[in-house]
Formats: sequence, structure tokens, C-alpha cells
Amino acid sequence: EAGVAQSPRYKIIEKRQSVAFWCNPISGHATLYWYQQILGQGPKLLIQFQNNGVVDDSQLPKDRFSAERLKGVDSTLKIQPAKLEDSAVYLCASSLDSLAKNIQYFGAGTRLSVL
Amino acid sequence: KNQVEQSPQSLIILEGKNCTLQCNYTVSPFSNLRWYKQDTGRGPVSLTIMTFSENTKSNGRYTATLDADTKQSSLHITASQLSDSASYICVVSATNAGNMLTFGGGTRLMVKP
Repeated sequence: EAGVAQSPRYKIIEKRQSVAFWCNPISGHATLYWYQQILGQGPKLLIQFQNNGVVDDSQLPKDRFSAERLKGVDSTLKIQPAKLEDSAVYLCASSLDSLAKNIQYFGAGTRLSVL
Repeated sequence: KNQVEQSPQSLIILEGKNCTLQCNYTVSPFSNLRWYKQDTGRGPVSLTIMTFSENTKSNGRYTATLDADTKQSSLHITASQLSDSASYICVVSATNAGNMLTFGGGTRLMVKP
């Protein structure tokens, strides 16, 4: 079974530039999550999709972050403009659905460095 | 506020030794508790998942325990190997949270030869 695919693996940009990350979840998984993981900390949920609808985006800094999952499969996360404090690993995860018992499977993440 | 606290923050042990990682949580209403292993540069991978009624669950050399009364969990690693070097993250799910998870800060384990 193919896992959660993310690209790129690494990205270095200057502050005020824009960047986009891509995620392809496990086939058949209805629920998709984007997390931000700052070095030395646990992941923090940014946004959760159920198919192509947003379930929770309460911790997404909406003035600069946006995400979409137009066809209910792949998803993109965008930062525009980036700030120094956005330097982190951005993890995408998916699960069969949003039931609490379902395991979330994580991608390898995109490591973003903002200079 | 839902919180998950882990200890120690970091740990160094010699290959072949055992160790125990701790997790305390204040997540309500409790659904399940998971331990994830995160290798450097990788996403977290699930080791165990325990519901309210489960006290212990094993996955190879990893054994997790859960005390729902005291809201504590531990992850015991037996006969450690170099490949066990990673961060171990305790994650708790609430029943009313649509599978949204509360993550601990992790314990960074280093196994030395």
C-alpha cells in the first residue's frame, strides 16, 4: 500500500516570498490533515479536510496560509508571504475518515526554511 | 484545555538496555491514546493505539500501558537497538473531536553502541 506522498521534501525561501506544498493521501482516505511541526515540538494541526470540505481550520493563520483539496484527493498548502517563524516541517496525514478510532498515516513532510 | 505532557524530554541509553517513557494527559472525553515513533526527517509512524478498556498493548519490543484513572501512559522499550533512536510522541484523541489529536512534545531517545 502506497503511503502519504508529499513534495517537495525541502524548500528554502526568503521572507515575504510565497511557497506551496503538495500532498497525495493514501487512496480511499477521506480525511486529510496538514500539520506544522516546529523543531523539538509535537505537530500542531493547521487544517483538516473531510473529502473536499474543511472540518477545522481554527489554527490556520488565514492572513497568510491557505489550503485546498478541490477534488477531495490531493491537497495543497500555501504560505504567502512567508515569515521567519514559518520555518518548520509541514506534515500531511490522512485517515479513512474522521472517526476517532482511525489511525492517521503521515507523510515524510516538507522541511521549510525561511531566511 | 486538552494537554499531553511527556517526560523525559530526551534520553540517552546504551544499546541493549531497557527504557520507559512517560505520558500524562488531560484530554476529555477520552477516546484513545497512541504512541508514534518519528525518525529524523520522517513523518510519525504509529506504534500502538489503546482505548479506554485496554491496559497494555505490545508491538514487538515496544509495550505501552494505559491507566485511564490516573490519565497516564508509558512506553517501555526492551533490549534497545540503535534503530530505536528517534522521537517518541504520545498522542491522545477525544471522542468529540472528529479524530483531532492532541500531541505531546515528544521524548527524543538516543541509543548509543
